[in-house]
Amino acid sequence: GQNIDQPTEMTATEGAIVQINCTYQTSGFNGLFWYQQHAGEAPTFLSYNVLDGLEEKGRFSSFLSRSKGYSYLLLKELQMKDSASYLCASMDSNYQLIWGAGTKLIIKP
Amino acid sequence: IAGITQAPTSQILAAGRRMTLRCTQDMRHNAMYWYRQDLGLGLRLIHYSNTAGTTGKGEVPDGYSVSRANTDDFPLTLASAVPSQTSVYFCASSMGRGANEQFFGPGTRLTVL
Repeated sequence: GQNIDQPTEMTATEGAIVQINCTYQTSGFNGLFWYQQHAGEAPTFLSYNVLDGLEEKGRFSSFLSRSKGYSYLLLKELQMKDSASYLCASMDSNYQLIWGAGTKLIIKP
Repeated sequence: IAGITQAPTSQILAAGRRMTLRCTQDMRHNAMYWYRQDLGLGLRLIHYSNTAGTTGKGEVPDGYSVSRANTDDFPLTLASAVPSQTSVYFCASSMGRGANEQFFGPGTRLTVL
């Protein structure tokens, strides 16, 4: 079956660094996506990885290891506005996104 | 219109009633999608459309139907609502199906009693 696993909730301190892990198992693989979703709002795109390695975009970076079925999202210099849910999604061979349940990130001052 | 819009924002519906959720995008995107989001579960694809005039079934299509008469609009219809269809519904669009960023509408919160 197809499955995406990520922690349900994480807590971090303002100004710190946090890493949100995601493991995936899908029928075929056409890339790994990360989205951010603030409470009561729509998901918004953060990153896309299809090759192994680290992609950096400002304070956010995303890593992919295809051989391990593993990705992580790294958030640096955390700000209170980063409090949100972070959704991991793998694109399968039919170009359908299979979504994890999301990781709720709580930032404390 | 800027981006993708959905209507209504929220709705309370009696079981057995018919309901259409509306979705419109002005980005000229070819592909459109309907998802439902339930607490503790990931987004689940209901139906999708790769281009105007075509539609396909996603992971949880039962009890829902869609149409894609033109590029901009992608309505979702619940023919006879049931309580298990209580959820938040998101419409999304992308340039094409595949490795493209999906843009999401603000969502419709639907409660079926």
